[in-house]
Amino acid sequence: GAGVSQSPSNKVTEKGKDVELRCDPISGHTALYWYRQSLGQGLEFLIYFQGNSAPDKSGLPSDRFSAERTGGSVSTLTIQRTQQEDSAVYLCASSPDFWKGYGYTFGSGTRLTVV
Amino acid sequence: AQTVTQSQPEMSVQEAETVTLSCTYDTSENNYYLFWYKQPPSRQMILVIRQEAYKQQNATENRFSVNFQKAAKSFSLKISDSQLGDTAMYFCAFMKSLADGRAGNMLTFGGGTRLMVKP
Repeated sequence: GAGVSQSPSNKVTEKGKDVELRCDPISGHTALYWYRQSLGQGLEFLIYFQGNSAPDKSGLPSDRFSAERTGGSVSTLTIQRTQQEDSAVYLCASSPDFWKGYGYTFGSGTRLTVV
Repeated sequence: AQTVTQSQPEMSVQEAETVTLSCTYDTSENNYYLFWYKQPPSRQMILVIRQEAYKQQNATENRFSVNFQKAAKSFSLKISDSQLGDTAMYFCAFMKSLADGRAGNMLTFGGGTRLMVKP
């Protein structure tokens, strides 16, 4: 696609429910990243995928968070048993060649509200 | 680990004037990249400008320029002839440069500066 696409744009869920957030990166981009942005805060790294390599999960805040990337393209971030502190904007980004430091192209994010 | 600090949570500037946003970082790396991203109310992060640490010349992109002081670990953004559309959150970010390319290059972000351009 022309840009990084994320869905849904907004999601309201009840505490304790599971949610899935989707990211469709730019076609051909081998690197994909998930970040979390809490209200008024900077971006917190969650997880990173590069090609067929094992993902870097070092930023996931708890075992309730998981992510997968199917076929080297679309990625899904899953949050199980959501808590109110999970409320944030979840941003996805992709990059064609991470080690050249060109930075990322971001999607518009999913705003998750846990009530 | 790297840290990025933006000491100005909020700033305002009159339309057509110049404003400078501050950013400092802490790293033991010698090779790295620095970025400024803009986040308007649409939430999408937009790359404004990029600097490679081994280049002494400051990067410029139209009305946007940086003052990169490697020894001081400072990377400020200057916006000239400010426009109403420049109103946004601005994030400074750091990325290590890895020679082997195996590990991911994570962007480390500062806490952001909210810029308001006033008519």
